Amino acid sequence: GAVVSQHPSWVICKSGTSVKIECRSLDFQATTMFWYRQFPKQSLMLMATSNEGSKATYEQGVEKDKFLINHASLTLSTLTVTSAHPEDSSFYICSARDFRWDTNYGYTFGSGTRLTVV
Amino acid sequence: LAKTTQPISMDSYEGQEVNITCSHNNIATNDYITWYQQFPSQGPRFIIQGYKTKVTNEVASLFIPADRKSSTLSLPRVSLSDTAVYYCLVATVVNSGGYQKVTFGIGTKLQVIP
Repeated sequence: GAVVSQHPSWVICKSGTSVKIECRSLDFQATTMFWYRQFPKQSLMLMATSNEGSKATYEQGVEKDKFLINHASLTLSTLTVTSAHPEDSSFYICSARDFRWDTNYGYTFGSGTRLTVV
Repeated sequence: LAKTTQPISMDSYEGQEVNITCSHNNIATNDYITWYQQFPSQGPRFIIQGYKTKVTNEVASLFIPADRKSSTLSLPRVSLSDTAVYYCLVATVVNSGGYQKVTFGIGTKLQVIP
């Protein structure tokens, strides 16, 4: 089945620094990937749609200058949290769909990245 | 995107069958119903997907009535390891090469009790 790898699984950074999170589709190509954020005891909130070779599409209320998304290849999308602050501490998850499997229309999710800003 | 409504939480004893119902009154003709499972600090995992009637796989069954305004995820003989949050999603399936962004509701927190 489809595998989406996310790295790192957890990261601690100082306030004001930037952190990059990688999302890779390991055995399939993904022209589109999605980035979510999840706060404790809450549901996943869609942040943006990452499009290979073009600009990402951000959901309303998500600062595009703070959450930089780059989708430079068909298997890799990155999310950079710039000038991170403690309120950016959250669980970040990416997802993609493997179109090879016609009988499974579900999206595959990465294992998530726990970001803690101190 | 069709809005979904699920119970916030459910408790069940080990070994029992658990049924979680999701309402999606505004489901569109081309929408599919998909259920995901999420454990703490992990990404959601695909469980099952269906369009109408009944779908069964090795881990669950999905029952969808004729009007498709609701669906029920059935987990047979749950164990402690089934304690998780279960999300019901409704989204249109696009052709190969296309996509549709998927948004999540609050989900149902299932607690399995020994």
